[in-house]
Amino acid sequence: DVKVTQSSRYLVKRTGEKVFLECVQDMDHENMFWYRQDPGLGLRLIYFSYDVKMKEKGDIPEGYSVSREKKERFSLILESASTNQTSMYLCASSQTGETGNTIYFGEGSWLTVV
Amino acid sequence: AQSVTQLGSHVSVSEGALVLLRCNYSSSVPPYLFWYVQYPNQGLQLLLKYTTGATLVKGINGFEAEFKKSETSFHLTKPSAHMSDAAEYFCAVSLLRGYNKLIFGAGTRLAVHP
Repeated sequence: DVKVTQSSRYLVKRTGEKVFLECVQDMDHENMFWYRQDPGLGLRLIYFSYDVKMKEKGDIPEGYSVSREKKERFSLILESASTNQTSMYLCASSQTGETGNTIYFGEGSWLTVV
Repeated sequence: AQSVTQLGSHVSVSEGALVLLRCNYSSSVPPYLFWYVQYPNQGLQLLLKYTTGATLVKGINGFEAEFKKSETSFHLTKPSAHMSDAAEYFCAVSLLRGYNKLIFGAGTRLAVHP
């Protein structure tokens, strides 16, 4: 069965802390994504990666960075967390090479920055 | 540039009534279109998708959607609502074929009352 796992479901961090959100997929997918979900705004793409060590900015990359050292793992990093980064973060993955590929999502990580 | 508009941030129906969730898109190229559902405290699950071929697409849980190019619409319907359909629904358009970046609408929260 398809599985995208986000290791931390709920986190509370202090302003200025460095935060790591981890995501692992077991489907050997080339593409991985980090989205942010806020009420009334839907999902907005932060970063995506189409291969190991490859990354591209999405629509709202400011304040975030990513790391993809292994194919199955994609990490989102908040270098210095701020209260406006309080949100739900969703990791996703998909296969490349086919048209209209399904994107599979993890269950999300709720981050509160205080 | 691609974009997605979901009409109505909240929709309320009676159990057994027709469900209609509206989605309009803009795209300069033939789109790939998706509907995802999100149950409380969970990630997103694919309901259905349109890539090519038949314009009426059937998905899981009795949902279906029809791609209408002339109206740039991809509305989601279900003939008879069930209490378990209460969730948030997202329409999305694919931005790049290979990488499958999705542009999401703001979402519609469906309430089903007895």
